[in-house]
Amino acid sequence: AQSVTQLDSQVPVFEEAPVELRCNYSSSVSVYLFWYVQYPNQGLQLLLKYLSGSTLVKGINGFEAEFNKSQTSFHLRKPSVHISDTAEYFCAVTSGGGSTLGRLYFGRGTQLTVWP
Amino acid sequence: DAGVIQSPRHEVTEMGQEVTLRCKPISGHDYLFWYRQTMMRGLELLIYFNNNVPIDDSGMPEDRFSAKMPNASFSTLKIQPSEPRDSAVYFCASSPTGGRSPLHFGNGTRLTVT
Repeated sequence: AQSVTQLDSQVPVFEEAPVELRCNYSSSVSVYLFWYVQYPNQGLQLLLKYLSGSTLVKGINGFEAEFNKSQTSFHLRKPSVHISDTAEYFCAVTSGGGSTLGRLYFGRGTQLTVWP
Repeated sequence: DAGVIQSPRHEVTEMGQEVTLRCKPISGHDYLFWYRQTMMRGLELLIYFNNNVPIDDSGMPEDRFSAKMPNASFSTLKIQPSEPRDSAVYFCASSPTGGRSPLHFGNGTRLTVT
């Protein structure tokens, strides 16, 4: 079974500062990686995904993530955060090729709090 | 598209009562998932369906939990009898295909069992 580790449960930063949310996963032959964001009282929304190709993936709201196969990591970054980025962020991984559904494994989440 | 629709948004019930949570997936999505979110255990996959057929229910905690998908546009998650430890936010999500496609989540049902 896959597993996902989000190393920080809480990350406080000041507005306009850069941020990195860390995610490591257990290795597999092939993986698909996702970052989701959850705002209060809402469901999860997709931020970005890595399926194949370029290891640097750009998502919505200025976020990007880099897939590092040798370190089995998929860290999320943003060069300058805004107060509206305050939310919980989840890293998720699934494995499998073609159209076979691999069970999606979520990390425990990282609460990003942006202070003015 | 209206997205994944869940009802009710909030449910408060007494221990021992039956609870039914409802979900309408996005039209055309072949996969439907039920998740439970708690502070203690985070996001847990309870069960998922492909083309209305349950594929993996290994996450269903006990026989008190059951899920059905009678057609492509409707699913229910039932807890009978409910217990205080079932209190959580329950999410339904749908996906057009397996594996590579992301999940689309509903806004969840917050269940409180007293």
